[in-house]
This record gives sequence, C-alpha cells and structure tokens, in this order.
Amino acid sequence: QVQLQESGPGLVKPSETLSLTCTVSGGSISGYYWGWIRQPPGKGLEWIAYIYSSGSTSYNPSLKSRVTISVDTSKNQFSLKVNSVTAADTAVYYCARLGGCTGGSCSVAPFDPWGQGTLVSVSS
Amino acid sequence: DIQMTQSPSTLSASVGDRVTLTCRASQSISSWLAWYQQKPGKAPKLLIYKASSLESGVPSRFSGSGSGTEFTLTISSLQPDDFATYYCQQYNSYLSFGQGTKVEIK
Repeated sequence: QVQLQESGPGLVKPSETLSLTCTVSGGSISGYYWGWIRQPPGKGLEWIAYIYSSGSTSYNPSLKSRVTISVDTSKNQFSLKVNSVTAADTAVYYCARLGGCTGGSCSVAPFDPWGQGTLVSVSS
Repeated sequence: DIQMTQSPSTLSASVGDRVTLTCRASQSISSWLAWYQQKPGKAPKLLIYKASSLESGVPSRFSGSGSGTEFTLTISSLQPDDFATYYCQQYNSYLSFGQGTKVEIK
C-alpha cells in the first residue's frame, strides 16, 4: 500500500525558508493529487497546498504569497517551500494524497493516506 | 473562502453513549465533506467521505449525514478507542478544516 514519509530540517531560523520533501513509496506519484497540511502545537489542521502529478497547483489563499509546492515524478517525491518563516509557522507538517484521475476524470478527494508528520520549529 | 465551524469544541461522554458532532459550512458545499479522527501524536485518519460514505475498514458505529451547509458525525455506541479529536473538512472549493471536536471521557 502507498506510504508517505516527510523529511527536512526540524529547526529553521526566522525569516529563512522552510523546505520539506515527501517521499511516496508503494505506488506511483503519477495520476494523483498530493498535498501538505500543518498543525501548530495544540491547535487544528490547516491545508497549505496541493499539486497534481503533472504539476498543476492549488494554494491556500492565506499562505499563497509565501508557499511553493513542486513535484519530481522521477524521484516519486513532492516538496514544499515556505518563505520568510516566523514563529507562527512552527507546526507538525503532514503530507498526504488527495484524489486522482479515473477514466479521464480527475477530482480532489479527502486526504488519505497521510505521512506520520514532521515537527518544524522556527526559532533563532 | 469557505469557513467550517464545528460544535461543540469539547464533548464529554461515557462508553456506550450515542454521540453526535456537528459541522457547519459558511456556504453550500453539496456533499463534499469528510470526517477525520485524530489521536495525540498521530496523523488524522479518514472516517467518512462525501458526507455519508464510510471509509473501508472503519467500524459501522460511525456514520455521517447532511448536505449543503449542515453535517453530522454520529458514533452510535462510543468505544474506548473512540476518545479522540474529530475534524471535518470540505473539498468543494479549495480545502478547509473545522477547528475540531475533542471527545473526552466523562
């Protein structure tokens, strides 16, 4: 079955760029939508962005100016960059799959499966 | 943006209770709603999609209903493993989550 694993630095300095990668195993990244969600400590879930394997993207309007999502089908990976981070970007970051294409029809679906999550702290 | 509002924020209940959680959307999302269960330190787990469809492997004591702007998640007989936080999420326009309902032991 498909499994996802987040990787990246656990500590980022304020004003710098947070970079994370999600590696997909047990299946191909092609033909599906892939996304990032975050959860500040003790708080709720926030969708950040998603990307289709062809490269088309969608961003949370509240984060769009600072976020870039990309995909590397040759490595079966997709990535997230968040620019100009502050303490408010401290969170557990999850990657997940959300839908795909069947018979020429493509649609976003609920997040499933998820990675285990990785805590990123923003601090000097 | 579509805002999702869950109520109550916390629900105290006992094993065997029937519990109902509510999720409201700020505008119609048809049936494009999912419910997740999250336990401390774990990723959320998908329970319900398209408002009322049970994800494979999820116990039948979980059920979802609603359409438009009002949705409910019902647990027919609360089990010890069900004490957790539950989130709704709309996928009609962009994506957004409710703030969560924590189901705790009474």
